[in-house]
Amino acid sequence: EAQVTQNPRYLITVTGKKLTVTCSQNMNHEYMSWYRQDPGLGLRQIYYSMNVEVTDKGDVPEGYKVSRKEKRNFPLILESPSPNQTSLYFCASSFWTGASPLHFGNGTRLTVT
Amino acid sequence: ELKVEQNPLFLSMQEGKNYTIYCNYSTTSDRLYWYRQDPGKSLESLFVLLSNGAVKQEGRLMASLDTKARLSTLHITAAVHDLSATYFCAFSNAGGTSYGKLTFGQGTILTVHP
Repeated sequence: EAQVTQNPRYLITVTGKKLTVTCSQNMNHEYMSWYRQDPGLGLRQIYYSMNVEVTDKGDVPEGYKVSRKEKRNFPLILESPSPNQTSLYFCASSFWTGASPLHFGNGTRLTVT
Repeated sequence: ELKVEQNPLFLSMQEGKNYTIYCNYSTTSDRLYWYRQDPGKSLESLFVLLSNGAVKQEGRLMASLDTKARLSTLHITAAVHDLSATYFCAFSNAGGTSYGKLTFGQGTILTVHP
């Protein structure tokens, strides 16, 4: 089954404790991206990657890191999480031809206390 | 910087009625997407619009794109309860170095009442 898999689904952590949210897709998509969803703000793009070893900032990259060492994986790293990073996070992927919509993962709800 | 304004943000409709959700964007864009999100769920794609004047329809939903007016619309015909969800539009920059940057609207929470 074609899918984008995020883990974990729920995560509660404390300020400053490094964490990684994994994202993997099995559709051979070149493009992958991360978003955070906050009430009233819609989805905001954190980082995106056009292909392996090619990443770029979205609108809200501060406090986040990403890497794209393999085509299928695009982990999101929070080196020192803070409470303002409490949010719902989505990973998504697509063929970047412009005609392809994003396929979204199921989301990771992160709480930083 | 690409800005997207979606309205209304909240929409309460009666079954059987028609309504339109609007998405205005601030700069040149050649890719427009509409997504649906059910409560507690992920997003699923509804439409991809790639050129001025593009119109796509699926069931009771129809989306259009006017790149000159920098406007996309999602029209709902004869609403039914199953259409209750949050609807997002999203735009990507037309080429350039920010090719993969995607900007979403705030979302429209649609509730359809009997």
